[in-house]
Amino acid sequence: AQSVAQPEDQVNVAEGNPLTVKCTYSVSGNPYLFWYVQYPNRGLQFLLKYITGDNLVKGSYGFEAEFNKSQTSFHLKKPSALVSDSALYFCAVRDIENNDMRFGAGTRLTVKP
Amino acid sequence: DTGVSQDPRHKITKRGQNVTFRCDPISEHNRLYWYRQTLGQGPEFLTYFQNEAQLEKSRLLSDRFSAERPKGSFSTLEIQRTEQGDSAMYLCASSLAQYNEQFFGPGTRLTVL
Repeated sequence: AQSVAQPEDQVNVAEGNPLTVKCTYSVSGNPYLFWYVQYPNRGLQFLLKYITGDNLVKGSYGFEAEFNKSQTSFHLKKPSALVSDSALYFCAVRDIENNDMRFGAGTRLTVKP
Repeated sequence: DTGVSQDPRHKITKRGQNVTFRCDPISEHNRLYWYRQTLGQGPEFLTYFQNEAQLEKSRLLSDRFSAERPKGSFSTLEIQRTEQGDSAMYLCASSLAQYNEQFFGPGTRLTVL
């Protein structure tokens, strides 16, 4: 069965600095990888996905993620963090044989002015 | 608003009572998913519908839980004889195709006293 690990519970960065939120995955076949963001009292919002193709995926709000097959990672990145990026970020994975998507435990990103 | 909607947003019930939640997916989406999220965790897959057919159920979905999607549009999730451990946020999501991203509703927060 597929699984996801987000090794950091909390990431703190200063506004304007680059940010990285880490994610590693495990699947038996080809992975389909997703990042979602959750703001307080709001539902999960889709940021970006990797299905196939270029390893660097660009998504909403200036976020991007790099798929690394050899390291089984799909880290979320942004060149310049904003205070408004502060939220809970979830990485998720599914493989072709399953319809359920497995989410990581989440990483709380705090961007300080 | 044409997003995924859920009703009610909050439900407080006493242990042993039955509760039912409703999800209205995005209209053209034929795939509908239910998840459960507890504090500090990512969403956990419960069940999945393609049109009106329930195609997959998690081991988490005990026999007290039942879900329906009678006409392939809205879905209901019923929990019978609620227990305190059922307290969680219940999320619904929908998608257009198998490998597309899922769009989430705001969730129903269940508190079992």
